[in-house]
Amino acid sequence: SQQGEEDPQALSIQEGENATMNCSYKTSINNLQWYRQNSGRGLVHLILIRSNEREKHSGRLRVTLDTSKKSSSLLITASRAADTASYFCATYQIQGAQKLVFGQGTRLTINP
Amino acid sequence: SQTIHQWPATLVQPVGSPLSLECTVEGTSNPNLYWYRQAAGRGLQLLFYSVGIGQISSEVPQNLSASRPQDRQFILSSKKLLLSDSGFYLCAWSVLFTYEQYFGPGTRLTVT
Repeated sequence: SQQGEEDPQALSIQEGENATMNCSYKTSINNLQWYRQNSGRGLVHLILIRSNEREKHSGRLRVTLDTSKKSSSLLITASRAADTASYFCATYQIQGAQKLVFGQGTRLTINP
Repeated sequence: SQTIHQWPATLVQPVGSPLSLECTVEGTSNPNLYWYRQAAGRGLQLLFYSVGIGQISSEVPQNLSASRPQDRQFILSSKKLLLSDSGFYLCAWSVLFTYEQYFGPGTRLTVT
């Protein structure tokens, strides 16, 4: 079963608004990563947050991690049309197979 | 700087034909290499990963195989394609398992 589950599956907002996407996972992790994928392209790494970190910022991105709730959120502030893409969370588990496990993604559409 | 190449970008192959997708990485040595498949609108499924030349780990039983003949070359192959092999194939590399991954542009494979 998928380790990471994103919510919502799709999100449509107006340009300039903030976008929030959530990710839940099931087992203990070493780190959690967020990636962006433009349509028909490869994934681009956005941010990595370790299990001992609670919040991380990168430009207009803010990621939080709550290991007690096994959840993370990605906030994009002041959205732009260029932010239209699919966003995936991926978790690296402490035990088990050494691999990143990706969720199904959130499809974000920014309307001009 | 590091770059990752994949080719071809798109491929249409008949059922039963062979397959060879190639991935090369520049600007780094001894990377971990990965092959993923992505179904339309879905997350990524890890197919194979490699920690060194000739070292291949398979994640799912399937009609595909992988090889790593050189340090920065990763090849995905099939002797006889199935309709179910259609999808978007992504190659990626990382320094270590727990680190962020860097993806190539992908190959869109359609088996007819």
